[in-house]
Amino acid sequence: DSGVTQTPKHLITATGQRVTLRCSPRSGDLSVYWYQQSLDQGLQFLIQYYNGEERAKGNILERFSAQQFPDLHSELNLSSLELGDSALYFCASSSSGGGIETQYFGPGTRLLVL
Amino acid sequence: AQSVTQPDIHITVSEGASLELRCNYSYGATPYLFWYVQSPGQGLQLLLKYFSGDTLVQGIKGFEAEFKRSQSSFNLRKPSVHWSDAAEYFCAVVPTSGTYKYIFGTGTRLKVLA
Repeated sequence: DSGVTQTPKHLITATGQRVTLRCSPRSGDLSVYWYQQSLDQGLQFLIQYYNGEERAKGNILERFSAQQFPDLHSELNLSSLELGDSALYFCASSSSGGGIETQYFGPGTRLLVL
Repeated sequence: AQSVTQPDIHITVSEGASLELRCNYSYGATPYLFWYVQSPGQGLQLLLKYFSGDTLVQGIKGFEAEFKRSQSSFNLRKPSVHWSDAAEYFCAVVPTSGTYKYIFGTGTRLKVLA
């Protein structure tokens, strides 16, 4: 158990809908990272937040957005969903994010768009 | 652009046999290097990491990896595989400057025969 929690574990929705994925980092960690894992794209970095502010951006679509709240939990919002958004979404956390650190991954949220 | 290559998509070994998983990277300098393991239905767990110093790195679960600068490689090894090692293994690199974004390889799925 990494100490990172993600809810829900599974999500099934329809095209065009909007969903919110939630992540709670390890106690004391200030950075949260979001990743998408799909069969065709592999594991892709989406976005990083550090202490409430966006720190780095990866291959995140404009239809996707994220935020980190004062209690340091984070939410990833996916809107106008398409079939291709079906994937496993991971959250990871690290203690600061100011330098290179080990990232601890949550168990993931499996999203299926029908 | 930085990239990571794991040339073997699937590997099958017998229990008790030795294992080597290959990882090559493309980057101008020596990046930070990681190996993660993902068991079915689980998140990623860190096996080991290399930042600098001794090029042979010991990790958890009896794994080790050797950094070879001349070959731009960071191969993962285990002398005797256990059935519980069946999982997917990801190599990741992090450039030593910039925003420290993780770049993951496509993964190697390990099957262990009893």
